[in-house]
Amino acid sequence: AQSVTQPDIHITVSEGASLELRCNYSYGATPYLFWYVQSPGQGLQLLLKYFSGDTLVQGIKGFEAEFKRSQSSFNLRKPSVHWSDAAEYFCAVQGAAGNKLTFGGGTRVLVKP
Amino acid sequence: GAVVSQHPSRVICKSGTSVKIECRSLDFQATTMFWYRQFPKQSLMLMATSNEGSKATYEQGVEKDKFLINHASLTLSTLTVTSAHPEDSSFYICSARAQVNTEAFFGQGTRLTVV
Repeated sequence: AQSVTQPDIHITVSEGASLELRCNYSYGATPYLFWYVQSPGQGLQLLLKYFSGDTLVQGIKGFEAEFKRSQSSFNLRKPSVHWSDAAEYFCAVQGAAGNKLTFGGGTRVLVKP
Repeated sequence: GAVVSQHPSRVICKSGTSVKIECRSLDFQATTMFWYRQFPKQSLMLMATSNEGSKATYEQGVEKDKFLINHASLTLSTLTVTSAHPEDSSFYICSARAQVNTEAFFGQGTRLTVV
C-alpha cells in the first residue's frame, strides 16, 4: 500500500528566509508525486507534480521540488518565502491501484514578519 | 489548469435531514471523481471513488448508505449526506480526473455544519 509521511507538523519561518518541507513516500514502483497548498477553508491548489523525467520540478509561486528515488523523498523548497505563503502544505502520492491519491498529514507553515 | 466547481461552499442543516453537494468539471469530461473528507487541522481522507455510469467504490469504514454518491454524467457527481448528524459536520472536497494516470483537479470544498 502507498503511504506518505510529512515529518514536520508545523514550521515557522521568517519572511524572506528559505523554506524546505519534507515528504517521504512508500510505494513499490515509480509514483506520481504532488505538492498541494491549502489556505484556511479553501480547496487544494496544485503547486507542482512529478510524473517522470527531470527530477527537479519547478512549480508555481516560486516553489520547486526534487524527487530522490534513493531516499523515497520529494521535498518542497522555496528560496525566499512571502507572508502569503503561510498555509497548509500537503504532499501526495498517486499509485496505480485505482490511481487514488494518498495524502500526507500536512505541514502548517507560519511566516514571521 | 482545469476547473472543478463545488457547490455549495457552505451549508448548515438540521439533524435528520439530508444535504446534497455537487461537484462539476467545467471544462473537461471527468471519467473519475473522488470525494474526500477533512476534519479540522487534519489531512484529507478519501471517502469514495466514482466512475461515470458505475457505482461508487467506497473506502473501508465509509457508510455507503449514509454517503450516497452519484456520477450520472461526465461533468457532474453528487454526494448526498443522508440523515445528517452533528458528527457528519466536516469539510468535504471533491476532485475530478479526465483519464487514468493524469492528475486530478480539486473543487473549493464544502463546509457542512449539522445542528
